[in-house]
Amino acid sequence: RKEVEQDPGPFNVPEGATVAFNCTYSNSASQSFFWYRQDCRKEPKLLMSVYSSGNEDGRFTAQLNRASQYISLLIRDSKLSDSATYLCVVNLPDSWGKLQFGAGTQVVVTP
Amino acid sequence: NAGVTQTPKFQVLKTGQSMTLQCAQDMNHNSMYWYRQDPGMGLRLIYYSASEGTTDKGEVPNGYNVSRLNKREFSLRLESAAPSQTSVYFCASSTGSGGYNEQFFGPGTRLTVL
Repeated sequence: RKEVEQDPGPFNVPEGATVAFNCTYSNSASQSFFWYRQDCRKEPKLLMSVYSSGNEDGRFTAQLNRASQYISLLIRDSKLSDSATYLCVVNLPDSWGKLQFGAGTQVVVTP
Repeated sequence: NAGVTQTPKFQVLKTGQSMTLQCAQDMNHNSMYWYRQDPGMGLRLIYYSASEGTTDKGEVPNGYNVSRLNKREFSLRLESAAPSQTSVYFCASSTGSGGYNEQFFGPGTRLTVL
């Protein structure tokens, strides 16, 4: 079983619509969580950290559900420029700082 | 600031050849990492260096060696390339050790081993 699992998509979203997707993690003792964004053939870049209380950054909202062991990302008012692959990233306990990356969820925003 | 730079951007090797991937960062970060990314899989950690002078194995170290040349530079060497090492390689750096710090990635090296 993978440590971090994501629906690969693609999620096809009309411009202006809302899209949400989840990521599940297997280790209940995981301590920190992130969403990274990766454009086609580019490097990953941090989109946002995920705090236990949930957090919002403009049109992006991240939630953590420790009981069910998943994190979610919601994108409101989707823009064409939001088309990318979104990587779910988890820091495992007792692993110094080694991060576990999900394979990513592809989002395609269409005009 | 250039951030994290990697050379080369592309490389084609024959089985058995060797090469070194170079990585440098100008952000005065303590920690550096090498990952590989394969289709349908998440980034997997090959080696990391928590601080200058230290290196440790990650999830998939076999077939690779690393050198933390100084605080800025962290190189990855393939001694005898194999087709299974065809991948995109990313170098990253972060301010400190631990999993709470943002990692900054270089643009990647696309390696094909024939």
